[in-house]
Amino acid sequence: QVQLVESGGGLVKPGGSLRLSCAASGFRFSDYYMSWIRQAPGKGLEWVSHIDFSDGAKYYADFVEGRFTISRDDAENSLFLQMNSLRVEDTAIYYCVREGTWGSGSYFPDFWGQGTLVTVSS
Amino acid sequence: SYELTQPPSVSVSPGQTARITCSGDALPKQYAYWYQQKPGQAPVLVIYKDTERPSGIPERFSGSSSGTTVTLTISGVQTQDEADYYCQSAADGGIYRVFGGGTKLTVL
Repeated sequence: QVQLVESGGGLVKPGGSLRLSCAASGFRFSDYYMSWIRQAPGKGLEWVSHIDFSDGAKYYADFVEGRFTISRDDAENSLFLQMNSLRVEDTAIYYCVREGTWGSGSYFPDFWGQGTLVTVSS
Repeated sequence: SYELTQPPSVSVSPGQTARITCSGDALPKQYAYWYQQKPGQAPVLVIYKDTERPSGIPERFSGSSSGTTVTLTISGVQTQDEADYYCQSAADGGIYRVFGGGTKLTVL
């Protein structure tokens, strides 16, 4: 079955860096777009970034402002998010999310990992 | 920036019908998707392409679309349906994913 397992979260000081990883299994990883979506404590869902096939086009939410970099390793079935210059407002659960089309012609989030908590605090 | 608007909360009694709306200017041109999130759990897709239901999602969940509003309808609501529900669509030709603010469904 589809599994997405995130790791790399933790406590970091403002201005610090973290690298999140996501190990995928149960599907052909290279056939799917992948995303990171976050959820601040007690708040709603917020798209962070997504990457097309095979380390192709990458897109970021406006609030990223060049601080984050998404990447993927199809040989290792893995997704990454390098986060630099972290801010207190980046505190959230970060979900690794698969994106499929289901025949619609448009990619959308269809399966979510359990998330990894990133806490930015001094 | 593009926004999707949902009511913060909806309350119904068991067995009644719950309707959760999501409004956005681009919804006539972009599909909408709905996710259910229970406390401490990851979101789960319950409706895709405005009206389609993934396998394994109960038939009481349905979606509809009219102009700039999409609606998630849960017929015969059960206590286990109590959760947060989020709509999602896209902006800028489908590049940027956008979520509604979420609706907390309370089953009284």
